[in-house]
Amino acid sequence: GDSVTQMEGPVTLSEEAFLTINCTYTATGYPSLFWYVQYPGEGLQLLLKATKADDKGSNKGFEATYRKETTSFHLEKGSVQVSDSAVYFCALSEAGANSKLTFGKGITLSVRP
Amino acid sequence: NAGVTQTPKFRILKIGQSMTLQCTQDMNHNYMYWYRQDPGMGLKLIYYSVGAGITDKGEVPNGYNVSRSTTEDFPLRLELAAPSQTSVYFCASSYSHRETQYFGPGTRLLVL
Repeated sequence: GDSVTQMEGPVTLSEEAFLTINCTYTATGYPSLFWYVQYPGEGLQLLLKATKADDKGSNKGFEATYRKETTSFHLEKGSVQVSDSAVYFCALSEAGANSKLTFGKGITLSVRP
Repeated sequence: NAGVTQTPKFRILKIGQSMTLQCTQDMNHNYMYWYRQDPGMGLKLIYYSVGAGITDKGEVPNGYNVSRSTTEDFPLRLELAAPSQTSVYFCASSYSHRETQYFGPGTRLLVL
């Protein structure tokens, strides 16, 4: 079945550091890929997404490129801020009718001033 | 637009008690979902619905029931609460299965 693997956390960075969070996936077809973010005490919200190979999703300075050859969708940001402290989830949705989101386990990012 | 709303925000149940977690969305989305979030485990799908009157099981449906009588509402029912159901529950909705899911703020449930 489908699966999403995220790097182990937590991750602690200083403000303005470069961020990479790894995500790889296993899917039978051509899934859409997502990054969701969960700020403390809140529900998840979409950060960015990509629907086909080589697409780049971007939002709030974050970027991720859909790499079919390496089955990866790594999240990057050039300069993190304290306000980026949150839990980040990678997820996929297959193309078939009524397919569901499959989430990774999530990774906690803490950014210190 | 309120988006997806959930009530209550927090609840403590005794083993064997029942309760209903409420979820309402005002975006006219056909698809609605219930997830549970356990520490370090990501989100697991409990039930989902593709429209009023249609529901189906997700990955972890045991111990739960749902109904979808209207487009807006998708309540989750726990009939006999067990400690294993201690978790944070999120409701979500989307226009279609491939589109962005919009999440509610969650309900934290503690079963003692």
